[in-house]
Amino acid sequence: AQSVSQHNHHVILSEAASLELGCNYSYGGTVNLFWYVQYPGQHLQLLLKYFSGDPLVKGIKGFEAEFIKSKFSFNLRKPSVQWSDTAEYFCAVRVVDDMRFGAGTRLTVKP
Amino acid sequence: NAGVTQTPKFRVLKTGQSMTLLCAQDMNHEYMYWYRQDPGMGLRLIHYSVGEGTTAKGEVPDGYNVSRLKKQNFLLGLESAAPSQTSVYFCASSSLPGAPAEYEQFFGPGTRLTVL
Repeated sequence: AQSVSQHNHHVILSEAASLELGCNYSYGGTVNLFWYVQYPGQHLQLLLKYFSGDPLVKGIKGFEAEFIKSKFSFNLRKPSVQWSDTAEYFCAVRVVDDMRFGAGTRLTVKP
Repeated sequence: NAGVTQTPKFRVLKTGQSMTLLCAQDMNHEYMYWYRQDPGMGLRLIHYSVGEGTTAKGEVPDGYNVSRLKKQNFLLGLESAAPSQTSVYFCASSSLPGAPAEYEQFFGPGTRLTVL
């Protein structure tokens, strides 16, 4: 069965710092890749997704992610974080109809 | 549109009691999912459905049952609750391949369940 690994459990940054959150998955076939965000007290929302084509995908709120097939990775980036980006971030992989989520990375942005 | 709604929002059960969580969506989505979210473990898929009358097991199906009698509803049942089932439960739905926002999952607000 496929698995999803998020290496950073808790990341603390100051405003304007750059962000990169790692995500690796174990499945070798065709996958659909997602990043979701969960703001405090809210439910999950989609940040961005990758199905095919350009491996650099852009999402909402200035986030982007790069799919590197050879590394089975889908890392999330943002050049300059804001206090409002404080949230938990989840990487997810879809294989056929099955969805697997990573354990999540909590991001705290200090003003 | 209400999107995805879940009933109830909170529930406390005693070990051995049963209950049903209701998920409803008004987006005419074919796919529906039940997840549990536990600290440090992210979301884990319990069961899912790819259409009315169908269900399938996810990553952690034991101790749960589901039914999808109507397209808009997806029920999660606990027949005999255990403390290990204390968690936050999220329902989600998504559209078919080829549709706008295909495979994007829309989540409900969650149900916080405590089993004593």
